[in-house]
Amino acid sequence: GAGVSQSPSNKVTEKGKDVELRCDPISGHTALYWYRQSLGQGLEFLIYFQGNSAPDKSGLPSDRFSAERTGGSVSTLTIQRTQQEDSAVYLCASSPQGTNEKLFFGSGTQLSVL
Amino acid sequence: AQSVTQLDSHVSVSEGTPVLLRCNYSSSYSPSLFWYVQHPNKGLQLLLKYTSAATLVKGINGFEAEFKKSETSFHLTKPSAHMSDAAEYFCVVTLSGNTGKLIFGQGTTLQVKP
Repeated sequence: GAGVSQSPSNKVTEKGKDVELRCDPISGHTALYWYRQSLGQGLEFLIYFQGNSAPDKSGLPSDRFSAERTGGSVSTLTIQRTQQEDSAVYLCASSPQGTNEKLFFGSGTQLSVL
Repeated sequence: AQSVTQLDSHVSVSEGTPVLLRCNYSSSYSPSLFWYVQHPNKGLQLLLKYTSAATLVKGINGFEAEFKKSETSFHLTKPSAHMSDAAEYFCVVTLSGNTGKLIFGQGTTLQVKP
C-alpha cells in the first residue's frame, strides 16, 4: 500500500502478557516514530529511528517498552508484562528524511489491557 | 529543551466566525513548528509548517499560522469556520535542521456550532 500500515488495528490483552505492535512505514522513508495517545490526551513521544543512527529512546516510559527496526524498514514495538495504564492508541509515523518534513501517520493500534 | 503549550483544551465557535487556536513554544534553538489536525476516526494530517522561511504560513483548508519569535507563539487562525473543521488540532515543535524528535502539544478540540 501507499501509506503507513500498522497491525493489529485492535489488541485486547490480559494484564501481565507481552504484546508486539507492528509498523510498516512508507517505502524509502528513513525516519520512523512511535507515539502513544491516551484517551483525551495529546501524543506522547516514545521512540524515534533515523536511518542507521542510534534510536532516540528518551520517550519510552519504562524498561518494559522496547522497539526495533529491522533493515531500516519494518518496526516492532514490544510491551512486556502489560499494565492497565498501557491502554492507549499506539501511532506510528514515517517521513522521507527528518523532522522538518511532513509526517505520514498510520491508523494506529488500539491496545486494551484488561 | 523544547516544549509546546496549547493554551486552550477546547474552543467553540459558530460556523462562519473566525477561528483562533493558540500555541506557545519553548526552544533554545530556532524551531520548526507544525500544526496537525485529527478528525474523528481518521489519521493525523499536516495542516501547515514553519521552517524559518516566511513568518506567515498558509496551510490547507484556509488555515494559516504566524510565527512570532518575540512572543514565542505560533497561533493557528482561519477567517471563517466551517462545520468540517470540527476536529482535534495539535501544535508541534522540533529543532530546525535537527533530526530530533517532534514534540506534540496536548491538543485543542475545535467545536463548530451551526
